[in-house]
Amino acid sequence: DAGVIQSPRHEVTEMGQEVTLRCKPISGHDYLFWYRQTMMRGLELLIYFNNNVPIDDSGMPEDRFSAKMPNASFSTLKIQPSEPRDSAVYFCASSLRSGGTDTQYFGPGTRLTVL
Amino acid sequence: AQSVTQLGSHVSVSEGALVLLRCNYSSSVPPYLFWYVQYPNQGLQLLLKYTTGATLVKGINGFEAEFKKSETSFHLTKPSAHMSDAAEYFCAVRTGNTPLVFGKGTRLSVIA
Repeated sequence: DAGVIQSPRHEVTEMGQEVTLRCKPISGHDYLFWYRQTMMRGLELLIYFNNNVPIDDSGMPEDRFSAKMPNASFSTLKIQPSEPRDSAVYFCASSLRSGGTDTQYFGPGTRLTVL
Repeated sequence: AQSVTQLGSHVSVSEGALVLLRCNYSSSVPPYLFWYVQYPNQGLQLLLKYTTGATLVKGINGFEAEFKKSETSFHLTKPSAHMSDAAEYFCAVRTGNTPLVFGKGTRLSVIA
């Protein structure tokens, strides 16, 4: 398996622009997670899905952030409009289940810079 | 709710020296514990995990961790550091079906 795939790997945009990050989970995994990593706040869980349905979006910072999972093999995280404080590395992860000893597999991340 | 505290945001060791990265957890029920490693410009990957049973867990690349319930700790060790071990290490905890809760991470530097 190719692992979790994220695109783009790097994104540089200007404040106010819309940004869309993409993720393809490992085939057969029922859970998908979006994380944000910054120096100040560490690794934060933004939202996670089970069988394409959002389960918990309490980590989404504000209404400017939205996430969708239209099918089992694709998810997007959108920021509209983007702000400089959104600059971070965004990770997508997937797992077979979400509990017990199940392992989360992370993608390589998207480094977002908002100027 | 569970939480994880990693003591020391940055640890520096000499090549060949013992590596000790500290992790303490807080949980009202028996936890599942994990260590992940993040190499520069990469995602996190699993080093090892504690489930139940043996309290000493062996992982990849010569790392191991010991679950000590009385101390609520799950410290990560490696007898002899290698240059390739330089990375960021994250401790994480989960109870039941809750999502993983990660610590802030510890950056390990290895000096030649």
